[in-house]
Amino acid sequence: EAAVTQSPRNKVTVTGGNVTLSCRQTNSHNYMYWYRQDTGHGLRLIHYSYGAGNLQIGDVPDGYKATRTTQEDFFLLLELASPSQTSLYFCASSDYSQNTLYFGAGTRLSVL
Amino acid sequence: GDSVTQTEGLVTLTKGLPVMLNCTYQTTYSPFLFWYVQHLNEAPKLLLKSSTDNKRTEHQGFYATLHKSSSSFHLQKSSVQLSDSALYFCALSDGGTGSKLSFGKGAKLTVSP
Repeated sequence: EAAVTQSPRNKVTVTGGNVTLSCRQTNSHNYMYWYRQDTGHGLRLIHYSYGAGNLQIGDVPDGYKATRTTQEDFFLLLELASPSQTSLYFCASSDYSQNTLYFGAGTRLSVL
Repeated sequence: GDSVTQTEGLVTLTKGLPVMLNCTYQTTYSPFLFWYVQHLNEAPKLLLKSSTDNKRTEHQGFYATLHKSSSSFHLQKSSVQLSDSALYFCALSDGGTGSKLSFGKGAKLTVSP
């Protein structure tokens, strides 16, 4: 089964802080995604990527940057964290031909 | 843009009863629909995905039928079990621009003994 690893699993920072969430997939998938999950909002797409060096804007991109350094690695950057970014963040990967997302275990971020 | 609507936020049922979770969608592309399930403190994972129009797909006792005429892909099960307690998300793929999924807000199913 597909393996997607996120780190850290939990993170606490202060308002205005700088945070980087990491995601690595070892399935040779082309597509990677960052979602945030909030009660009452479901899963909302922040950014996604078709491959190394590629970045696509998702549905809720404000306040987030992302970078895909290799086929395996996708990073989400919060350069000036705000309390509204307190959330559960999921990374996912997929092979376009399968059209199925494989999710990591999630990173719980608290911005105080 | 694409959107998915799930109307039930919370569903509570007794074990053995049937369940239907609603999912309707809007898209300008040919639709690919999915149901993902998320158990407590776990990541979402695929439960089932749509086939052709009016064809039922099944997995682990759950089933759903894509109806393009009504833009729906409702999830059903004839007899729920305690282990079915989870969060269920309906998702829509735009297909045309590469596996970008739009998720509904989710339905939390709680099954009691």
